[in-house]
Formats: sequence, C-alpha cells, structure tokens
Amino acid sequence: AQKVTQAQTEISVVEKEDVTLDCVYETRDTTYYLFWYKQPPSGELVFLIRRNSFDEQNEISGRYSWNFQKSTSSFNFTITASQVVDSAVYFCALNSGGSNYKLTFGKGTLLTVNP
Amino acid sequence: EADIYQTPRYLVIGTGKKITLECSQTMGHDKMYWYQQDPGMELHLIHYSYGVNSTEKGDLSSESTVSRIRTEHFPLTLESARPSHTSQYLCASSGGVPGNTIYFGEGSWLTVV
Repeated sequence: AQKVTQAQTEISVVEKEDVTLDCVYETRDTTYYLFWYKQPPSGELVFLIRRNSFDEQNEISGRYSWNFQKSTSSFNFTITASQVVDSAVYFCALNSGGSNYKLTFGKGTLLTVNP
Repeated sequence: EADIYQTPRYLVIGTGKKITLECSQTMGHDKMYWYQQDPGMELHLIHYSYGVNSTEKGDLSSESTVSRIRTEHFPLTLESARPSHTSQYLCASSGGVPGNTIYFGEGSWLTVV
C-alpha cells in the first residue's frame, strides 16, 4: 500500500523567511515517483517537480529546492526568501509505477506568507 | 504548461438538476482522471480512464458517471445534483508510462443549492 504523510497542516511565515514543507512516503516498490504540486486560492493544481526513486540528487529551481532522502523516505520542499505569492496549499504525491498510473496524495500543507 | 481545459469554472444549480462538467485536453494523453476536493481538504480520485471506451471508478465512491468516447474529451455527469455534491472537481491527464507527470485543469467549482 502507498501512503503520503504531510504532518504540517498549516505553516505561517513572514515574507523573506525560509520555509520547509515536509513529506514522508511509504511504498514497498523499488521504482516509484514523487511529485509536488501547488494549489493557489484560485484552485488549480500546478505541477512543480517530479523525481524518480533512482535519482537522489537534490534539485534547485530558483527559490525552490527539494531534498530527497530514501533512507528516511522523505521528499522535503524548501522555499527560500518566501514571498506573498507563495501562499498556497502544497501537495506531495506518490506514484509507484509498474502498471499503476494513479497518484496518492498527501493531505496538503497550507502555507501563508505574511507581508 | 498543461493544455487541459474545464468548463464551467463555476456553477450554481438547484437540487435535482442534471449537470455535465466538461474536460478536454490537447496533449494527446491517453490517461484521464477526475478528482473531487472539498475546500481545504485532500484530493480524492473518483474516476479514471486509460483510453477510449475505458472508464473505471476511483478510490472514492461517487454518484457521478463519466464517458470516454474521444481521446481528448472526458466529461463527468451528475444525473440529479444534491447539496452533498457541492465541491471542486479537478480533471487531469497523463501520457506514456506510469510515473509520468499528471497535469491538472483549473477545476470546476460546483455549488448545489
């Protein structure tokens, strides 16, 4: 069975602070894929990153960075120098590959960045 | 950027009405999905399709139905809407092998009064 846990329900920071969103996953498969999505107040789900289980390199994209650690089954997301526009719900998701095309989502973390 | 479109974006209808939420994608993806999400809550898969004439129920039971007559089109229908159907419905698609990115539309907010 697959499971994604986002233990932080809500986080509130002040603009320019760094913030890390935690994601812990469970799967018995050796090949799997991890994702992060952003959902702003308008409701659409915006794809941020996809990472496969064989690539543990950290990724940086502008102010965003992701830390994938198989040893702790975690795929954490850090926003550096947060901005008000970063305010959204962030979802971590897991796909175990094989013949399974579906995503298992965490419950999401609501990030509020205050000016 | 994903090319997946949902209409209507916002809909308020009365109890008992029949509604269809439209979803189209121009990426040629063979897999399509419908998720239901109450405000501030987690996403639940209610329907999916792996190709034309293929539809399956998702992890969350839903009174809605879907059809997949054309690759690019995956409409969702509620025969008789009820207030309990008030929610956001998100359509999504993906192509190729398992693990490829699933792209989402902008969502349809349904309110049944």
